[in-house]
Amino acid sequence: EAGVVQSPRYKIIEKKQPVAFWCNPISGHNTLYWYRQNLGQGPELLIRYENEEAVDDSQLPKDRFSAERLKGVDSTLKIQPAELGDSAVYLCASSLPGRWETQYFGPGTRLLVL
Amino acid sequence: AQKVTQAQTEISVVEKEDVTLDCVYETRDTTYYLFWYKQPPSGELVFLIRRNSFDEQNEISGRYSWNFQKSTSSFNFTITASQVVDSAVYFCALSEARTGANSKLTFGKGITLSVRP
Repeated sequence: EAGVVQSPRYKIIEKKQPVAFWCNPISGHNTLYWYRQNLGQGPELLIRYENEEAVDDSQLPKDRFSAERLKGVDSTLKIQPAELGDSAVYLCASSLPGRWETQYFGPGTRLLVL
Repeated sequence: AQKVTQAQTEISVVEKEDVTLDCVYETRDTTYYLFWYKQPPSGELVFLIRRNSFDEQNEISGRYSWNFQKSTSSFNFTITASQVVDSAVYFCALSEARTGANSKLTFGKGITLSVRP
């Protein structure tokens, strides 16, 4: 069974530029999560989707971050414009319906903002 | 509010040594889950174990074992006869169960384990 797929794996941009990350969850997993992991820290939840609905986006900095999951499968996380402090690893995770306690993580996208 | 503390930041051992990774948690809930994840250099978080707050039995899986003690709010992880492939960052995490699907995973800062040949 394929795991959570994320792309790109690495991204280097200059500040004020836009950037987007893509995630394809495990087939059948209706819950999708985006986390941000700063250097030397554990992941922190940005947003959680149940199918196509964002049910928890309380930690998403909405002035510059946006996310979508239009068909309830793939998801895109966007930053516009990026700031130096956005340099981090962005992890996507998914879980089965009703199995929120078991999340499967992708390899992440490592973002460097110069 | 829930909190996870991993006081050790880096541990270095020689292959075949035993090593224990400490985890202390804080929560006001009586029902919660505790987790350990491994993050190898490739970046993905690999699930190792989940424990619910009502199950204080220690668990052993091969070279891995976990000691859960509610009295000290600790959930420690021991690797026996460590191997170079065990080198990774290990995260302890907590999730309160009462809010069900609205529960959030709270991670500690992680422990970098280096196993030298």
